[in-house]
Amino acid sequence: QVQLQQWGAGLLKPSETLSLTCAVYGGSFRGYYWNWIRYSPGKGLEWIGEINHSGDTNYNPSFKSRVTISVDTSKNLFSLKLNYVTAADTAEYYCARGGGSIPSYGYWGQGTLVTVSS
Amino acid sequence: DIVLTQSPDSLAVSLGERATINCKSSQSLLHSSNNENYFAWYQLKPGQPPKLLIYWASTREFGVPDRFSGSGSGTDFTLTITSLQAEDVATYYCQQFYTTPYTFGQGTRLEIK
Repeated sequence: QVQLQQWGAGLLKPSETLSLTCAVYGGSFRGYYWNWIRYSPGKGLEWIGEINHSGDTNYNPSFKSRVTISVDTSKNLFSLKLNYVTAADTAEYYCARGGGSIPSYGYWGQGTLVTVSS
Repeated sequence: DIVLTQSPDSLAVSLGERATINCKSSQSLLHSSNNENYFAWYQLKPGQPPKLLIYWASTREFGVPDRFSGSGSGTDFTLTITSLQAEDVATYYCQQFYTTPYTFGQGTRLEIK
């Protein structure tokens, strides 16, 4: 049974750095891409980026150079950092498993509500 | 970026009736290497992460009720819910995995009439 458990700070001030971590329990860590996705009522679902066990990354250009996704294969976890947040980054952030033989997100973290407010 | 446009934006259907949601892609999602459409449907309810319903455009995820079905290929896709149940009230999203950045449709809100 694959489970993703995520955590991180939920309240940030503008210009601070968003930092979230997602731990993967069960299943293989190799052979998949590990993703970050966010949801806000105004923008819907947005794909932020992904990483595999080797550290290969793909990012959404919409986040330009603000985003970094990293992986720690010794602990089966991956992390998201988003710099210089603004109120527009207020959203529910999710980690999810993608890649493998079936391109889809069948496993998700529970979500973390991140609010950016001065 | 590939743009996915869903229609309608919202939909009200009576219990037991059929609901149909469409998603149109700005380019073909059919991959020539395996003749599969890199396309999925999700259900999103408040307070829960999205739930995968359909992948490869028409393959139902394990455990998803068979009243949910997906169809279409290339640029035009449809999610059909036959015999709508109260628990199907949610917002539905399509997504493409054909190329990065992976993109989602804007969502279709489904309500009970």
